[in-house]
Amino acid sequence: QVQLVESGGGVVQPGGSLRLSCAASGFSFSVYAFHWVRQAPGKGLEWVAVLSSDGKNSHYADSVKGRFTVSRDTSKNTLYLQMNSLGTEDTAMYYCARETTRIQIFDVGMNVWGHGTTVTVS
Amino acid sequence: QSVLTQPPSVSGAPGQRVTISCTGSNSNIGAGYDVQWYQLLPGTAPKLLIYRNNNRPSGVVDRFSGSKSGTSASLAITGLQAEDEATYYCQSYDNSLFVVFGGGTNLTVL
Repeated sequence: QVQLVESGGGVVQPGGSLRLSCAASGFSFSVYAFHWVRQAPGKGLEWVAVLSSDGKNSHYADSVKGRFTVSRDTSKNTLYLQMNSLGTEDTAMYYCARETTRIQIFDVGMNVWGHGTTVTVS
Repeated sequence: QSVLTQPPSVSGAPGQRVTISCTGSNSNIGAGYDVQWYQLLPGTAPKLLIYRNNNRPSGVVDRFSGSKSGTSASLAITGLQAEDEATYYCQSYDNSLFVVFGGGTNLTVL
């Protein structure tokens, strides 16, 4: 079935790095844009980044720009989020999510979400 | 503070109707961008409830409906059930911030 499974979370010291993965299955990975969305403890959802369906364009929230990089490996149907210079403010559950419509970006939201992976910066 | 403003909490008795508001500005909802609504249950993946202001994905019951006017949007839930107890988020797009979410509204079924 259509599924996204995140992994790679853990505990990291301030200033450290971590790479999250999001494995996709059950659909054609390369025709969709993908987002990373996070939720800090006790807080709401915060959009982090997006990668376009052709993998050529990415956009970031101001809070992570210059520190985080989103990428993909279409041979593995996997999306990545490389996180550098981590601070305590980056502690959160990180979700990957798929755009609802093929090819489009910033269209009608995200209709497939993973269960998330937890990142703790401490 | 979230770019889109939602009430922190709403409540209602089983069978009642509740609404959740989502207020933005002229750079997001008021700029014509569509609004989506998501449901978050503890320990589960977020679920898209409403897209493009008032459309339900297949599998979402018609007790959930959405509307948009000006710089605001609303989610209405009729025939409230215990299983509706969750946190609800609105989401839209912004001229400079790309994707924006509301702060979330906790729904309590009394």
